[in-house]
Amino acid sequence: AQTVTQSQPEMSVQEAETVTLSCTYDTSESNYYLFWYKQPPSRQMILVIRQEAYKQQNATENRFSVNFQKAAKSFSLKISDSQLGDTAMYFCAFMKPKGGGADGLTFGKGTHLIIQP
Amino acid sequence: DAGVIQSPRHEVTEMGQEVTLRCKPISGHDYLFWYRQTMMRGLELLIYFNNNVPIDDSGMPEDRFSAKMPNASFSTLKIQPSEPRDSAVYFCASSPGREQRPQHFGDGTRLSIL
Repeated sequence: AQTVTQSQPEMSVQEAETVTLSCTYDTSESNYYLFWYKQPPSRQMILVIRQEAYKQQNATENRFSVNFQKAAKSFSLKISDSQLGDTAMYFCAFMKPKGGGADGLTFGKGTHLIIQP
Repeated sequence: DAGVIQSPRHEVTEMGQEVTLRCKPISGHDYLFWYRQTMMRGLELLIYFNNNVPIDDSGMPEDRFSAKMPNASFSTLKIQPSEPRDSAVYFCASSPGREQRPQHFGDGTRLSIL
């Protein structure tokens, strides 16, 4: 079974700073997908970014980027120029494809990110 | 386009009552997932369907929980009888058939069992 570990229960940074959230995972699979989801106080689960394990290039989405280290089984999220609206819980998630299709997500415990004005 | 729609948004009921949570996936999505979120256990997969067929129900806590998907546009998660430890936020998510497509979540149902 896969496990996902987020070692930072809470982080706090000033607005406009850059912050990195860490995530490590354990799997024996070679093909898989990794995701970061954001959950603001409204409790919506919003996809931030995703990475396919067979792609060496790190994914980026505007101010969000990842540092994917497959050998180290590490998948950190970097948020540049942080904004007050980035305050939320952030969850790292793992998915192993099943028969060419989807499978359930395995989530980490989450990191509560607070952006201070 | 409409996202995943869950109802009710909040449910408060007494122990022993039957609870039914509902989900309408995004049109055209082949997969539907039910997750539960608690402070103690975080987010955990309960069950998922592919083309209306249950594929993996290993996360369903016990026989009190059941899920159905009678057609491509509707699913239910039922708890009977409910217990206080079932209190949680229950999320439904859906995704297209291709493995690389992400899951889209509904807004969740906050369930409180008194």
